[in-house]
Amino acid sequence: EVQLLESGGVVEQPGGSLRLSCAASGFTFEDYTMHWVRQVPGRGLDWVSLISWDGGSTYYADSVKGRFTISRDNSKSSLYLQMNSLRTEDAAMYYCVKGGKEFHFDYWGQGTLVSVSS
Amino acid sequence: QSALTQPASVSGSPGQSITISCTGTSSDVGGYDYVSWYQQHPGKAPNLIIYDVSNRPSGVSNRFSGSKSGNTASLIISGLQAEDEADYYCSSYSSSTTLVIFGGGTKLTVL
Repeated sequence: EVQLLESGGVVEQPGGSLRLSCAASGFTFEDYTMHWVRQVPGRGLDWVSLISWDGGSTYYADSVKGRFTISRDNSKSSLYLQMNSLRTEDAAMYYCVKGGKEFHFDYWGQGTLVSVSS
Repeated sequence: QSALTQPASVSGSPGQSITISCTGTSSDVGGYDYVSWYQQHPGKAPNLIIYDVSNRPSGVSNRFSGSKSGNTASLIISGLQAEDEADYYCSSYSSSTTLVIFGGGTKLTVL
């Protein structure tokens, strides 16, 4: 059974930094592209970032480019999101998501909540 | 990059069929067969129900189907059931600077 367990969500001040983690199990982690997708409670979904199976390619939404960094450790079956220069508009539930064969998302974690407030 | 356009809400009675549209541009929906659909119940994570326009993952009911014409993709739910009441989101690959874009979501109410 595929499981994705996010952690690291807290209340942080604007301008602060945060690192989210995702522990994956139930599949061969190193074979798959992984994503972060976020959702403001009560609002829609917002793709954040993608990392290729080997970490060699990364992509970001324009809204987080230059501030967030996605990374992975295949030896630990773990995905990360380093979030710097946080803004109030970054407050959301952040989902760790396993990529399908193409550009879809076939398994989602339960999410970790990030709040950004002074 | 603007979100894909979905109706805010749709409704139907048990047993009926409904269609949810998802309109984009030739840079996303119209240009690639990488449209997917997600179902999200309140307080839960989204769940993939259609990928690559019309493919159903294993375990998803065949009451869910997808199609595409031009820049508009559609999710069709037949034989509506109470458990289908949820939010539905479309998504597409985009050749713009944002790799993947979502629709704003559609709330389905089963009357």
